[in-house]
This record gives sequence, structure tokens and C-alpha cells, in this order.
Amino acid sequence: SQKIEQNSEALNIQEGKTATLTCNYTNYSPAYLQWYRQDPGRGPVFLLLIRENEKEKRKERLKVTFDTTLKQSLFHITASQPADSATYLCALINDYKLSFGAGTTVTVRA
Amino acid sequence: DVKVTQSSRYLVKRTGEKVFLECVQDMDHENMFWYRQDPGLGLRLIYFSYDVKMKEKGDIPEGYSVSREKKERFSLILESASTNQTSMYLCASSPGQVGTEAFFGQGTRLTVV
Repeated sequence: SQKIEQNSEALNIQEGKTATLTCNYTNYSPAYLQWYRQDPGRGPVFLLLIRENEKEKRKERLKVTFDTTLKQSLFHITASQPADSATYLCALINDYKLSFGAGTTVTVRA
Repeated sequence: DVKVTQSSRYLVKRTGEKVFLECVQDMDHENMFWYRQDPGLGLRLIYFSYDVKMKEKGDIPEGYSVSREKKERFSLILESASTNQTSMYLCASSPGQVGTEAFFGQGTRLTVV
């Protein structure tokens, strides 16, 4: 069966450090992978998209990598800030179907 | 700004009731999605639609149906609500091109008693 697994439910880090989140998938051949941010009580908000032929994508302090051989994406938040505290979700797209992992909750300590 | 509006923020229904959750988007998006979100399980896809009157089952369609009579509106129907359908329900929409970002509504917290 198809699975999207994010490495851990929670990640606690010190302000200024880099947070690294992992998304692994099985039985998918996605052409695209996306990352979303979700704050408590709100719907997810899109952050980044990476295509299967792209190795890396950056947006400000965010960096995403996509390894279709390992079936894995890494999401990095560099120079983390308390405002980065949220749940981060990876999502795969097969045709029009958009499927999500369970998410990793990041808490950045001041 | 894209807006996805869900009809209710909180809803309490009784077991066995027929429940309608409504979602409207104002950006002429082709694709619309319904998810439920439960602690530790993330967002699970119930149904999605890539065109008017078209619908596809997601990963957990049992106990649910959908309707898309107009492009901007996608309704989720619980034919006979049960307590295990107590959850946060999220609607999303995206443009027709594959890979484009999805925009989410604020969610409906449904409690079935």
C-alpha cells in the first residue's frame, strides 16, 4: 500500500539552529512533492514545491531536497526562530490526487 | 487572495443524522479536495474532484459521499453520521494544472454524539 512517513511527530530545537525534517514514501512515483505549514486551528499553507527532476529548492531560510532513488525528501529550516514553530506536512501528487504525511511538529526555543 | 470557505467552523450532530459539509472557493479552481485530520494520522484524503460532476475516491471514502454540481462548490455528505466520524474536516482547492499549490479552508470541527 502507499505510505508517506514523516520522521517524527515532534522536533524541539534551539533558536538559531537548523531543523531537518524527513519525508519518506513507498509505492508512489510522484512527479511533484510539496511542503506545507500548519498552525494550530488553521488549515495548511503551501510553502514549497519540488519536481522529480529537481534535486534542491530554496526559499528564504527554507531548503528542500528530493531524492527519487531513496524515495525521500528533506526539509530544512535554517537559522530557526520561535515564529517557525508549527507543524510541517509533506505532500505527494499523483495525477490530481494530493496525499499528505502525518506531519512533524517543530518547536523552536528562544 | 484565494478564498476557500467552509460553511461551519464547529458542528455537533447526532448519531444517524445526515450531515452536509459545504465548501466554496472563489478562484475558479478545477480541483477540490476533502480531508479529515485526526491526531497522529495527519490529513487523510476522503474524496477529490478535478472537474464539475467528476469525483474520485481518496484513501478513506467509506461512510462519505460528495457532490460537485457547480465548479465553485464541493459538498461532503455523511449519509448516517457515526461517532468515529468525529474529526476536523478540511476542504482544499487548486488550479487544474498538476502540481500547483492547494489552498485550504479554515476547517470544520465536527462532533458526532
